[in-house]
Amino acid sequence: DIQMTQSPSSLSTSVGDRVTITCRATQRISGYLNWYQQKSGTAPKLLIYAASILQSGVPSRFSGSGSGTDFTLTITSLQPEDFATYYCQQSYSSPYTFGQGTKLEIK
Amino acid sequence: QVQLQESGPRLVKPSETLSLTCTVSGGSISDYYWTWIRQPPGKGLEWIGYIYDSGNNNYNPSLKSRVTMSVDTSKNQFSLKVSSVTAADTAVYYCARQYSSGWYHFDFWGQGTQVTVSS
Repeated sequence: DIQMTQSPSSLSTSVGDRVTITCRATQRISGYLNWYQQKSGTAPKLLIYAASILQSGVPSRFSGSGSGTDFTLTITSLQPEDFATYYCQQSYSSPYTFGQGTKLEIK
Repeated sequence: QVQLQESGPRLVKPSETLSLTCTVSGGSISDYYWTWIRQPPGKGLEWIGYIYDSGNNNYNPSLKSRVTMSVDTSKNQFSLKVSSVTAADTAVYYCARQYSSGWYHFDFWGQGTQVTVSS
């Protein structure tokens, strides 16, 4: 199985901050990397697929980059509604696996 | 807008079979993978497997011996069964739509249903 490791696991941040979350795969996955946002008690929501393609309706302050084994999710100018847990997920090969999550908390 | 809704018993006894159904509305069940994902309390996400409208499936090897999925295209529904459950199967279970070509991402999710395994 491909293991996905995110860092950091948690982050205390403030409204208006720029945040970068990294995700590393244990083998090359080309651009088959997706990012999801999960707010407490709700289902994950697709933010970015194919490493850098913004899902329809997702604000442009979210962006993704990377290829191969290393990927990043960047949120410019954090908004109050962005405090949530973020997961990366590889769709290169099954079993499709997720990172352990990065929780953004209000400083 | 595609919507998915999970349904089924919320409490299952150890050693019994967990059964859930996902109803898809707002779109056809054809041409996509229909997926189950679970999340144990306070933990991360685990892909369980998918089924295609033809009935072809792909299960996570970690659960393969206990998982069965089926699809009913006439009702726009697909289902999950997990046999011989233990407390480790306690989780929120999500159904989701997965692209069957391209980037294979999960674009629509159900709201999730909490299933507890307990006597």
